[in-house]
Amino acid sequence: QQQVKQSPQSLIVQKGGISIINCAYENTAFDYFPWYQQFPGKGPALLIAIRPDVSEKKEGRFTISFNKSAKQFSLHIMDSQPGDSATYFCAAEGRGAQKLVFGQGTRLTINP
Amino acid sequence: DAGITQSPRYKITETGRQVTLMCHQTWSHSYMFWYRQDLGHGLRLIYYSAAADITDKGEVPDGYVVSRSKTENFPLTLESATRSQTSVYFCASKRKDRRVGEKLFFGSGTQLSVL
Repeated sequence: QQQVKQSPQSLIVQKGGISIINCAYENTAFDYFPWYQQFPGKGPALLIAIRPDVSEKKEGRFTISFNKSAKQFSLHIMDSQPGDSATYFCAAEGRGAQKLVFGQGTRLTINP
Repeated sequence: DAGITQSPRYKITETGRQVTLMCHQTWSHSYMFWYRQDLGHGLRLIYYSAAADITDKGEVPDGYVVSRSKTENFPLTLESATRSQTSVYFCASKRKDRRVGEKLFFGSGTQLSVL
């Protein structure tokens, strides 16, 4: 049973557009929600993370929106660039759990 | 360079054979993890370790064995490889991070094919 459900599985966006990837979870004990970015042939790397005490976190063109009541969070990439083409994973971790649970991944392609 | 090194990068083996994937970190991070990546499933945790000689099962531990006699090494062994274990395997370590809370550092992965 997938504890974190991610959608869509793949996404194509035009250069300059907004890319949006969504995740949903059931476990209310989760209190840490990171996003990882993975380029082909490489391991994932941390992109941005949020805790549920805030509803939004922005770092440059990347924003996490968090909806605690709906148990959903999403990644928004503004002004998407071809260099953003990668696989993105959302994840979640419970307090004291020390281990992340990942979503299924979204393959993002930015067309020039 | 400091970081996480996985070896081999690619491995082809046959069903029933024992295979060991190596993972080495040059930091002294306490926590280390093994994930497998499969299309449609994302990254699934196989085993993790909180320190030397302390290991615990993740989501999909069956068919795998781990050990951690030294902080810097965390090998993963497939005792009798099966086709369903064909996957890309990632090792990671964790560090507390002031900006984001904590951060996983992943190796470059081992692509394993079981024929």
